[in-house]
Amino acid sequence: GIQVEQSPPDLILQEGANSTLRCNFSDSVNNLQWFHQNPWGQLINLFYIPSGTKQNGRLSATTVATERYSLLYISSSQTTDSGVYFCAVTAGNEKLTFGTGTRLTIIP
Amino acid sequence: ETGVTQTPRHLVMGMTNKKSLKCEQHLGHNAMYWYKQSAKKPLELMFVYNFKEQTENNSVPSRFSPECPNSSHLFLHLHTLQPEDSALYLCASSPRGTPPGTGELFFGEGSRLTVL
Repeated sequence: GIQVEQSPPDLILQEGANSTLRCNFSDSVNNLQWFHQNPWGQLINLFYIPSGTKQNGRLSATTVATERYSLLYISSSQTTDSGVYFCAVTAGNEKLTFGTGTRLTIIP
Repeated sequence: ETGVTQTPRHLVMGMTNKKSLKCEQHLGHNAMYWYKQSAKKPLELMFVYNFKEQTENNSVPSRFSPECPNSSHLFLHLHTLQPEDSALYLCASSPRGTPPGTGELFFGEGSRLTVL
């Protein structure tokens, strides 16, 4: 099955800093999503982005499908951005596969 | 109100108890899912229902029994669980479920289960 790797595994930043999270995948995908899991466990849908670039406020994402990676950018980080960020992909008829996540901690 | 709601949010049960987790989606989707998230492990897909029909059972032990009476409601019945079943159980929905996860996936807040 498809392999999904996220980096870095952990990231600690000061409030106000910018960050880039990366998701690499081993095969062509027809579905890619970014999620934020808050400290209470809820997975919040950030972007549905199998290709191209999208922006939503301080967050933006870019997927370069031909090179098999996606990037999530967070600008002007806030403490509420803390949590785990997951990338998940579907390739062909396979089920959605989640990466192991990037744990982001924003320090006030 | 979120698009996918789960109850209860927290559940503590003994190994001989029978309990159920409930999920309801208000998004008009046709596919619903149960995922399990254990500490330090990736999310594991358990079951997929597409138009009320189970289309995926990811080798889940029979002590977990799903039920999908309609496209908006999904249950997970729990019976004679083991302590290692303690985890966060997440419900999700998407416009359709074939292949699993097709289209944008939306999650509920999760039910944190502790088995004593």
